Amino acid sequence: GQQLNQSPQSMFIQEGEDVSMNCTSSSIFNTWLWYKQDPGEGPVLLIALYKAGELTSNGRLTAQFGITRKDSFLNISASIPSDVGIYFCAGQLFSDKIIFGKGTRLHILP
Amino acid sequence: NAGVMQNPRHLVRRRGQEARLRCSPMKGHSHVYWYRQLPEEGLKFMVYLQKENIIDESGMPKERFSAEFPKEGPSILRIQQVVRGDSAAYFCASSPRTSELWDTQYFGPGTRLTVL
Repeated sequence: GQQLNQSPQSMFIQEGEDVSMNCTSSSIFNTWLWYKQDPGEGPVLLIALYKAGELTSNGRLTAQFGITRKDSFLNISASIPSDVGIYFCAGQLFSDKIIFGKGTRLHILP
Repeated sequence: NAGVMQNPRHLVRRRGQEARLRCSPMKGHSHVYWYRQLPEEGLKFMVYLQKENIIDESGMPKERFSAEFPKEGPSILRIQQVVRGDSAAYFCASSPRTSELWDTQYFGPGTRLTVL
């Protein structure tokens, strides 16, 4: 079945640093999604990417849909304490089930 | 406009009991998806339902698990004779299905099932 490899598994950074995480897939997707999950909550959509090569920003977040349609990255600039959480990449073929990566756990050191 | 609602938020069951998880989609949404999340893992798709129809149940275990989305009322995920391995967070998402190509799925807060 389809699998997503997300890296890194976890990150420990200082407040103010930039963050980069990425995701690769064994098969192509039509849509790439990036979600954030806070403890005890459901995932919240951050960015959706619909076209190969597309680069999209949402505030301090920037994500790109790889040309091959098998990869995506998410960057967070100037991290702040509320950025702490688990970030999931996810892929979708059509209006159908979402395939999630295992997540990147972001920790911000005091 | 209330978001996706799930209840209960926490559910404790003993082995062999039944678990019933409820999901009320966002107003106007007629498509519901159930996902399961094990500790330290991503969410895994279980089943996709429209009102009174199961569209895709490729992620559902073949035994003990069932799902429904009746014409009236919430969607129900039912787990019979629970075992310890069923302990997980179960998330429901809903979408309005306005496009054949892609629809945003909005997630609920989840039900955390603990099997003793």
